[in-house]
Amino acid sequence: AQSVTQPDIHITVSEGASLELRCNYSYGATPYLFWYVQSPGQGLQLLLKYFSGDTLVQGIKGFEAEFKRSQSSFNLRKPSVHWSDAAEYFCAVGTFMSGYNKLIFGAGTRLAVHP
Amino acid sequence: DARVTQTPRHKVTEMGQEVTMRCQPILGHNTVFWYRQTMMQGLELLAYFRNRAPLDDSGMPKDRFSAEMPDATLATLKIQPSEPRDSAVYFCASGRGQGTSYEQYFGPGTRLTVT
Repeated sequence: AQSVTQPDIHITVSEGASLELRCNYSYGATPYLFWYVQSPGQGLQLLLKYFSGDTLVQGIKGFEAEFKRSQSSFNLRKPSVHWSDAAEYFCAVGTFMSGYNKLIFGAGTRLAVHP
Repeated sequence: DARVTQTPRHKVTEMGQEVTMRCQPILGHNTVFWYRQTMMQGLELLAYFRNRAPLDDSGMPKDRFSAEMPDATLATLKIQPSEPRDSAVYFCASGRGQGTSYEQYFGPGTRLTVT
């Protein structure tokens, strides 16, 4: 069955430090992969997506993610974190199930940023 | 800047009362999803509509929850009677849902508290 694992529940980084959030997926075919961000009190906002082609994808707010098929991973990165990046981050895989396209979400990683 | 809107943003009600949450999907999107988010369960898919037809509501407690889409600009989620365990944030998301389109765009959510 398709699944998404985000191994880190909480991560704390200092402002200006680099960031990598881990995501592993289980999916039989070529995956459609997404990262969403949820700021406190807000809905989920799409950061970036991978469908095919270049395995390094760029997103909004300076984020990027790299698809590694051999590791079944789609880790999110940012070279220098800003205090406004404190939020919860969700990785998701797109799947065709029960007759429609749906997203399977990971449990999320909550990011705290220290000044 | 097209976005999904949800009303109300916050709702506090007493156990046994009826609650109706509303969602306006992005114009031109033909799929609507209802999710519930809690600390314990994370994001749960409650219902899915395509072209206003309910295609999957297997995630919804049938005895008290109902979802409808009376027209292309309005989706509703109703709880009757409400219970304290229904306290959560309810999100609506819309998308194109065609071909390889898995992207979903989320509204800001309705935070429901049932006392």
